[in-house]
Amino acid sequence: DAKTTQPPSMDCAEGRAANLPCNHSTISGNEYVYWYRQIHSQGPQYIIHGLKNNETNEMVSLIITEDRKSSTLILPHATLRDTAVYYCIVSPAGGTSYGKLTFGQGTILTVHP
Amino acid sequence: GAVVSQHPSRVICKSGTSVKIECRSLDFQATTMFWYRQFPKQSLMLMATSNEGSKATYEQGVEKDKFLINHASLTLSTLTVTSAHPEDSSFYICSAGSGGVSTDTQYFGPGTRLTVL
Repeated sequence: DAKTTQPPSMDCAEGRAANLPCNHSTISGNEYVYWYRQIHSQGPQYIIHGLKNNETNEMVSLIITEDRKSSTLILPHATLRDTAVYYCIVSPAGGTSYGKLTFGQGTILTVHP
Repeated sequence: GAVVSQHPSRVICKSGTSVKIECRSLDFQATTMFWYRQFPKQSLMLMATSNEGSKATYEQGVEKDKFLINHASLTLSTLTVTSAHPEDSSFYICSAGSGGVSTDTQYFGPGTRLTVL
């Protein structure tokens, strides 16, 4: 499975946009980009995923570069409750590894007042 | 989104005892469930993949005789930590996926904190 690289930590002021980058330069054609977050002592929470088009939901936007080698998760108006570890994961859509998620160290996002 | 529950949320046991953790998908049928373990200040590590009605597939280094997994129905998987020791103390998290021909989104349970004395 392709590996991802994320900055270990980022800070953001409450109400401002948080842009979380992720590099996945070895991503293959059948791999999706998933984003999860984990608030302290809880299970990970699914945020969004995409293949090659940009995606948006009520919470975030996911921007995937045209060559698919990197992506950015955007929280348009961060709140204190968005403080968490954010994981960017690439996962194949089929084969024996179908559905397996390999978690890296993620990015610790701290939103401060 | 889909809801996955785990029970118990926290358990403390004596060394040598066995502990069973349940993982349930509440509003969807999960053809595949995954079990992860997370030590303090570390990331999640996949332990095993279980498919309903078949044997679980364990990741390298995970003892299948120590971590017994049963996926008896499309909404329930159990993880039994047999003869638990203090080094098994960890945060155990399950996830469930609904499967399908296109991308499968996994939903995670809230986790079970196991402390072995």
